[in-house]
Parts: sequence; structure tokens; C-alpha cells
Amino acid sequence: AQSVSQHNHHVILSEAASLELGCNYSYGGTVNLFWYVQYPGQHLQLLLKYFSGDPLVKGIKGFEAEFIKSKFSFNLRKPSVQWSDTAEYFCAVNARSSYKLIFGSGTRLLVRP
Amino acid sequence: GAGVSQTPSNKVTEKGKYVELRCDPISGHTALYWYRQSLGQGPEFLIYFQGTGAADDSGLPNDRFFAVRPEGSVSTLKIQRTERGDSAVYLCASSLGGGTGAGELFFGEGSRLTVL
Repeated sequence: AQSVSQHNHHVILSEAASLELGCNYSYGGTVNLFWYVQYPGQHLQLLLKYFSGDPLVKGIKGFEAEFIKSKFSFNLRKPSVQWSDTAEYFCAVNARSSYKLIFGSGTRLLVRP
Repeated sequence: GAGVSQTPSNKVTEKGKYVELRCDPISGHTALYWYRQSLGQGPEFLIYFQGTGAADDSGLPNDRFFAVRPEGSVSTLKIQRTERGDSAVYLCASSLGGGTGAGELFFGEGSRLTVL
């Protein structure tokens, strides 16, 4: 069965600090990988996705993620966070051509101004 | 509509009562999903519809949970004889369809269910 692990449950940073959120998945086959974000009081929305090709993908608001197949990882990064990045971030995976998205438990990010 | 709409946004009920949660997906999206999110957890898959049929209901926790999508658009999640453990945020999402688009889900804001 697929599973997704997010190692950091809570992260606190100051503005302009660099961010890296870890995500590892367990699945033997080909996968699609996603990061979703939930800002306070808002619905979950897609931040970025990886289906194939360049393993370094760029998303909205300056976020990027790198797929490292040998490590089953898809870590999220941002060089310089802003206060408005305060949110909960979820890593998710589905088997290629599958409809079922499996989510990690999420990481709450607090950016102090 | 512009996004996925869920009603009610909040529902407080007593143990043993029956509850219905409604989801209106993005127009044209054939795939519809229900997820449940408990405190401190990520969304957990419940059921997936492709059109009117439930293609996969393997995530429904027990037979007290049931969902329908009679006309291939609006869906209703029904919970009978609610228990305190059913308290969670119930999320609905829709997408254009299967294949590589399957994971690009558009979520509603959720229905927060509290069972007293």
C-alpha cells in the first residue's frame, strides 16, 4: 500500500529564511507527486506537481520541489519565505493513472514577520 | 460554479443522528471524490465517483457511510447513526477525469462535522 511521510509537523521560520519540507513516499511503481497548500481559512489548493520529465519542478509563489527517485523523496523548497507563506503544506502521491490521492499528515509552517 | 461548493460548512449533531453533506463540483468535472480530514492528519480517501457510479468506495469506514451522485454532478455523503469518532472535516474534490489528470484535484472548503 502507498504511504506518504512528512517528517516535520511544525516549522517556524523568520521572513527571508530558506525553507525545505521533507516528503517521502513508499510505492514500488511509477507515481505522480504533488504538494498542496492550505492557507488559514481557505481550501486546499495545488502548489505544484510532478508527472514526468525534469525532476525539478516549479510551482506558484516561488516554490519548487525536487523528485529524487532513488530516495523516494519529493522535498519542497523556497529560497526566501514570506509571512504570507504561513499555511499547512501537504505532500501527496498517486500511482500513475490512478485516481486515489494519498496524503501525508501535513506540515504547519509559521513565518514570523 | 467557479469552485467546488460544500454545504453545510459546519454541522453539529448528536450521537445517533443522521447527517447529509452536500457537494457541488466544478461544472464539467466528471470525477468527484470525498475525503475525510481528522485533526492533525492529512485528508483520507473515502470514495470516488466517475460520472454517476461509485468507482471505488473502499475508503468508507463502515456501512453507516454512503454516498450518491444520481445525476453525475452534485453528490451527497450520508452518515447514519453518527458516532463521536465521525467528527472531522469532510472534503469534497473534483477533477476533469482519470489518467494523469486524476491527481489534480480541486477541493471545496469542507464541511466540519461535530458529533456531540
